[in-house]
Amino acid sequence: DADVTQTPRNRITKTGKRIMLECSQTKGHDRMYWYRQDPGLGLQLIYYSFDVKDINKGEISDGYSVSRQAQAKFSLSLESAIPNQTALYFCATSEGAQETQYFGPGTRLLVL
Amino acid sequence: QKEVEQDPGPLSVPEGAIVSLNCTYSNSAFQYFMWYRQYSRKGPELLMYTYSSGNKEDGRFTAQVDKSSKYISLFIRDSQPSDSATYLCTSGRGYQKVTFGTGTKLQVIP
Repeated sequence: DADVTQTPRNRITKTGKRIMLECSQTKGHDRMYWYRQDPGLGLQLIYYSFDVKDINKGEISDGYSVSRQAQAKFSLSLESAIPNQTALYFCATSEGAQETQYFGPGTRLLVL
Repeated sequence: QKEVEQDPGPLSVPEGAIVSLNCTYSNSAFQYFMWYRQYSRKGPELLMYTYSSGNKEDGRFTAQVDKSSKYISLFIRDSQPSDSATYLCTSGRGYQKVTFGTGTKLQVIP
């Protein structure tokens, strides 16, 4: 079984809808991240959490919110989806001083 | 200026060629340098990790860091079609979020 799982894997939604992307991990890591990936822009950090009580904004947090329900679960919400949030979203965990990242399989989101 | 800059490519080479992938970074406090490989429709996976300056070799892959010039390199010897992927470099200070380059897409042609 995968150590970092994301649901759903694909999602099509309409402008203005609220959606939630979920991430679960069995690696036992405290640190978790949400990134989005767009062609030519690489991985951009949306939010990150170093433990259950710690939530931090990343480079592009506007329009997004997160919830860290437990050490193993970190959810990303789009309160009112817009077309330019169409992207590939990755959840990751990390360990060590070097912050080695372990990524989930990604969620492809299309906002019409 | 982004903290980590990477040529996005794409880079196309014949099978067996030596590939050189490069990044530059601006934060002199960065101590940890990593390369991730991302196949199409997959999440990135750690390929190589280097602490501070120097070289690290793993099979056909060599990671090199030159802190004096803030330059990060990944060399692939005897490149194979299975090496076709996007390669992302990252840098960080330790126990803090890392910064990713934009990724270089590599195609190795049989």
